[in-house]
Amino acid sequence: NAGVTQTPKFQVLKTGQSMTLQCAQDMNHEYMSWYRQDPGMGLRLIHYSVGAGITDQGEVPNGYNVSRSTTEDFPLRLLSAAPSQTSVYFCASSSVRRGSYEQYFGPGTRLTVT
Amino acid sequence: DAKTTQPTSMDCAEGRAANLPCNHSTISGNEYVYWYRQIHSQGPQYIIHGLKNNETNEMASLIITEDRKSSTLILPHATLRDTAVYYCIVRDSGSARQLTFGSGTQLTVLP
Repeated sequence: NAGVTQTPKFQVLKTGQSMTLQCAQDMNHEYMSWYRQDPGMGLRLIHYSVGAGITDQGEVPNGYNVSRSTTEDFPLRLLSAAPSQTSVYFCASSSVRRGSYEQYFGPGTRLTVT
Repeated sequence: DAKTTQPTSMDCAEGRAANLPCNHSTISGNEYVYWYRQIHSQGPQYIIHGLKNNETNEMASLIITEDRKSSTLILPHATLRDTAVYYCIVRDSGSARQLTFGSGTQLTVLP
């Protein structure tokens, strides 16, 4: 299994540009989520999904959109990038079976907005 | 959710046990204690979780006090690869996947 994969690894955007961060998992996990991590800080939850067609907002959703059309993929869209969105973005997935709470994280996408 | 308090940093000699404390004095009865770690710039990695009993797995042991107001993560034989930021997180089972990461403890294992 590849686990959780994220592309790209690095990205530089200009203010106002849009882009999509890709996240995929091959573990058939129902739950997927996106976090951002600013320098020296812990991770903050942006959006999450408990299954295909179902998404919900986390702690810091503004400026980001998500959709979940398949179990495997959970892309994160930045509609109009701002310098405040410079961060490292992590995708995570987990099973929703009772007692299964371990989350698996991807390697991250490092985004710089100039 | 209960707030957690962890020391900012700790050192440990290679081969010795690393004991990382976490205070969660406002924890409620249905909240679990989770531990994750993040090795430099990588995605966080799950370590262990528990409710009230002590837990052990191949990575670590988790000791939770009887009143559940604090816990200790124990890495029995720390190696240089255990150098990381360790996060203690308290969540109930219904929201266990919406994690809230604080600043964590930077553990440095010294040769």
